Amino acid sequence: QKEVEQDPGPLSVPEGAIVSLNCTYSNSAFQYFMWYRQYSRKGPELLMYTYSSGNKEDGRFTAQVDKSSKYISLFIRDSQPSDSATYLCASTGGGNKLTFGTGTQLKVEL
Amino acid sequence: KAGVTQTPRYLIKTRGQQVTLSCSPISGHRSVSWYQQTPGQGLQFLFEYFSETQRNKGNFPGRFSGRQFSNSRSEMNVSTLELGDSALYLCASSLGRGEDTQYFGPGTRLTVL
Repeated sequence: QKEVEQDPGPLSVPEGAIVSLNCTYSNSAFQYFMWYRQYSRKGPELLMYTYSSGNKEDGRFTAQVDKSSKYISLFIRDSQPSDSATYLCASTGGGNKLTFGTGTQLKVEL
Repeated sequence: KAGVTQTPRYLIKTRGQQVTLSCSPISGHRSVSWYQQTPGQGLQFLFEYFSETQRNKGNFPGRFSGRQFSNSRSEMNVSTLELGDSALYLCASSLGRGEDTQYFGPGTRLTVL
């Protein structure tokens, strides 16, 4: 079993929809949680970085961590075609050794 | 500020050969981490270098090795290439203080024939 599980999709939504992306993790030592966005043929780009449980909002993006259920979520409001990419969740107990989910492919259609 | 750069961007090798990939971190960053990305396994941590020392290591065979130079540039070497080594190899740099942001380069696409 992978330490971080993520539904690979693909997920297709109409423009303007609210998108919900989710991951679960099994390692209780994980304290830091990240969401990266990766466009085709590019490296991952950090979207959100959260520590422990709670919500963090940045523009159209909200990251949510529930440590009691080991559940990580990313919500995208008013989704745009430019949001079409692969979204990767990642966790670490500290330091730079990140454990990634396999990524969810998102397509936002006009 | 220039981002993380990786060279070469694309590489084709045959089984049994060895390959060296290069990563130049963001100026001022002292930590460089390497990851392997494949469709089946996703992104997997290879190792991290900080101040020329390997600070952390993933679960990869000894054929995968790396080093870091005094200017923080890093190289990764894979010896005796196997077909399964075909992947996108990504490096990420950070200040290296611990819970700081890692910035990824565009990757090197390695194809082993």
